[in-house]
Amino acid sequence: AQKITQTQPGMFVQEKEAVTLDCTYDTSDQSYGLFWYKQPSSGEMIFLIYQGSYDEQNATEGRYSLNFQKARKSANLVISASQLGDSAMYFCAMRDIMDTGRRALTFGSGTRLQVQP
Amino acid sequence: GAVVSQHPSWVICKSGTSVKIECRSLDFQATTMFWYRQFPKQSLMLMATSNEGSKATYEQGVEKDKFLINHASLTLSTLTVTSAHPEDSSFYICSGTYSGYYNEQFFGPGTRLTVL
Repeated sequence: AQKITQTQPGMFVQEKEAVTLDCTYDTSDQSYGLFWYKQPSSGEMIFLIYQGSYDEQNATEGRYSLNFQKARKSANLVISASQLGDSAMYFCAMRDIMDTGRRALTFGSGTRLQVQP
Repeated sequence: GAVVSQHPSWVICKSGTSVKIECRSLDFQATTMFWYRQFPKQSLMLMATSNEGSKATYEQGVEKDKFLINHASLTLSTLTVTSAHPEDSSFYICSGTYSGYYNEQFFGPGTRLTVL
């Protein structure tokens, strides 16, 4: 079974500063993918970044980077130069990426980020 | 990225009625679609997985007779909430993926269901 833990229910950050959202996971799968999604108040799920378990380098997508520490089973999201529009709920998720594996996503409980001017 | 639409975006119904929610992949063929439910201030919980042309696989605790899922084509999956009750009020989100592409699921915008 897969489990995602997000221990920060809420976070505040000043505009233009960087913020790290924590995510730890547990799985018995050998090949898995880790995802971060942003959910604004409108409810849509916006894909931010992906990290494969065998990827040696940390994923980056613009202002988003994923600090992947496989031995610690952590996949923290780093948002640099926060903007007011970054205020939203952020979910860490994972799934098995083998073709025969479970393809549905398992989500963490989420972190609500508020960016202050 | 690929686009998934949901209809309706919100619905209010009386207790005891049935509600159908449509999930469409607009520019790709979704071999697998997932239905999630999200209660206020909570995370997304998987309800069921549906593969085109096959019966849906429901998660433990989800009543298959209450939440009917049909995935009749590669671009359309429907979720019907039968005999809805106030406790079924929630945000329902679908997502789709296609064979050979394992990095991302494409989410619909969600449907907010309120049962009076």
